[in-house]
Amino acid sequence: GAGVSQSPSNKVTEKGKDVELRCDPISGHTALYWYRQSLGQGLEFLIYFQGNSAPDKSGLPSDRFSAERTGGSVSTLTIQRTQQEDSAVYLCASSLRNTGELFFGEGSRLTVL
Amino acid sequence: AQSVTQPDIHITVSEGASLELRCNYSYGATPYLFWYVQSPGQGLQLLLKYFSGDTLVQGIKGFEAEFKRSQSSFNLRKPSVHWSDAAEYFCAVAGTSGTYKYIFGTGTRLKVLA
Repeated sequence: GAGVSQSPSNKVTEKGKDVELRCDPISGHTALYWYRQSLGQGLEFLIYFQGNSAPDKSGLPSDRFSAERTGGSVSTLTIQRTQQEDSAVYLCASSLRNTGELFFGEGSRLTVL
Repeated sequence: AQSVTQPDIHITVSEGASLELRCNYSYGATPYLFWYVQSPGQGLQLLLKYFSGDTLVQGIKGFEAEFKRSQSSFNLRKPSVHWSDAAEYFCAVAGTSGTYKYIFGTGTRLKVLA
């Protein structure tokens, strides 16, 4: 596609439910990032994928969070047993190489009731 | 620790006035530097970046930024603000030797008065 695509754009869920957020990066971009943006906060790094290398998961806040990237393209961020503090906008970005311009999707807004 | 500080959470300027948004960073070496803008309901868009060379960099929409190594700063400027510039602005840094964790500031929300 022309840009980074994220779905769903909005997700409302009940505490304790699992959610999956999807990111479809720009074709050919080898690097893919997930960030979390909470109200009044900056962008919090969650996880980074680069080609076929093992992902850097150092930013994941707890073991309830996981992410995978299939075939070097689409990525899914999964949050298990959601908590109210997980409410945020989850942003995906891709780039051609490690350091350069990040292209962001419009984000998935998660609300946990 | 690596960090990016944007000391102004909110800034309000009148249309046509000049603008300067501050960004200071803490990093082991000179990193790559970026400014991104997030307009309401839209994703983040790159305004400009500094990798090396001329310390005054030009970006899109009439923005420029100046890298000052001695002050560890990368302030964003615009001579004359337009109402459409109302948005949130993020400063970010990334390592130059394979360190890929872009570190973002907390953002500055710009309001433009007509």
